[in-house]
Amino acid sequence: AQSVAQPEDQVNVAEGNPLTVKCTYSVSGNPYLFWYVQYPNRGLQFLLKYITGDNLVKGSYGFEAEFNKSQTSFHLKKPSALVSDSALYFCAVRAITGGGNKLTFGTGTQLKVEL
Amino acid sequence: EAQVTQNPRYLITVTGKKLTVTCSQNMNHEYMSWYRQDPGLGLRQIYYSMNVEVTDKGDVPEGYKVSRKEKRNFPLILESPSPNQTSLYFCASSRLDSNTEAFFGQGTRLTVV
Repeated sequence: AQSVAQPEDQVNVAEGNPLTVKCTYSVSGNPYLFWYVQYPNRGLQFLLKYITGDNLVKGSYGFEAEFNKSQTSFHLKKPSALVSDSALYFCAVRAITGGGNKLTFGTGTQLKVEL
Repeated sequence: EAQVTQNPRYLITVTGKKLTVTCSQNMNHEYMSWYRQDPGLGLRQIYYSMNVEVTDKGDVPEGYKVSRKEKRNFPLILESPSPNQTSLYFCASSRLDSNTEAFFGQGTRLTVV
């Protein structure tokens, strides 16, 4: 079975400071990893994904994520946070083989960026 | 514009009254799925479909039905809704390639009283 853990329910940062939203995963074999963002009253929007290759993945709105196979982590980062980044962030994992294309999500992390 | 469209966006109903939430995608995706989102639980998969007439249970299928008669449509059916099905529901679609991202609808907030 595959699973995702997002250990922090909420992350608070000041605008202009770097932010990190943590994610660890468990899957049989190699993973595909995704980050999504959800703004109030909206659906989930895709931010970025790790498929293969470079462990540092760049995505939309200045976000990036670092894949660490030994720590089974895929933390989301941004060098300088904006108030408009405040939203609910979900990490998700999909097994490369044997998972039936199933996307498994974490419980989400609420990011609050304050002035 | 590539999109997944769900209807209705908001629905309040009474226990036991059958309802259907529609989902349609215009990207010719093979894979479609339904999730429910509950506080502290994240998104949990209800049902999925890998192609027309091929559906299977996800993690929380009890009390739900689906059908996939056409590639673009994947309705979620609650034949006898109960209050514990009060939740935020999302439809998603993607290609069958496991390295592609899923596209989500805007969500349906369902309240069962």
